[in-house]
Amino acid sequence: EVVMTQSPATLSVSPGETATLSCRASQSVSSNLAWYQQKPGQAPRLLIYGAYTRATGTPVRFSGSGSGTEFTLTISSLQSADFAIYFCQQYNAWPPIFTFGPGTKVDLK
Amino acid sequence: QLQLQESGPRLVKPSETLSLTCTVSGGSINTEFYDWGWIRQPPGKGPEWIGSIHYSGNTYYNPSLKSRVTMSLEASKNQLSLILTSVTAADTAVYYCARQGVVEPNAIVTFGNWGRGILVTVSS
Repeated sequence: EVVMTQSPATLSVSPGETATLSCRASQSVSSNLAWYQQKPGQAPRLLIYGAYTRATGTPVRFSGSGSGTEFTLTISSLQSADFAIYFCQQYNAWPPIFTFGPGTKVDLK
Repeated sequence: QLQLQESGPRLVKPSETLSLTCTVSGGSINTEFYDWGWIRQPPGKGPEWIGSIHYSGNTYYNPSLKSRVTMSLEASKNQLSLILTSVTAADTAVYYCARQGVVEPNAIVTFGNWGRGILVTVSS
């Protein structure tokens, strides 16, 4: 099973700043990596797939990068709506075992 | 607009069976273009994929849960269902149903539409 780890666990940021979140896979997942945003009491929302492709409705201030085992989600000019928990998910394994990371919480500094 | 709604008992006793239903509206589950998945999220933790099902009935389960999980579809009601047997406290979580990409090699399998989730607590 591919194990996903994320760092940091919590990231304190001020509005207008840039947040950089990391996701690491225990083995290569190529570019088969997605990012989700989750707000309290809500389901996760797909932000990015294919490591860097924005899902419909994802603002351009969200950008993804990386391949293999190291991935980054960057949120530029952070807005109040962006304070949430972010999860990465790999979908590379076959037979399929889709795994999520433990999440990074972005909160207000 | 596609909507998914989970329903079922919110309290299940240890060793008993958890049964949930997901009702889909605004789209048909009888489609070759998407699969349907169940994901759970224990309080304060990351999501865990439980399994996925295609309209043909083809299923994929998380190996860690495979011996206890059964997923099915009822096309006439536009519903999917989840059965998890022999539950313990470790099965306490918010359970979500979701529409996802078709599970096949080299496919983009992300969970694009989610239900609101249902918190199921396992306790005597």
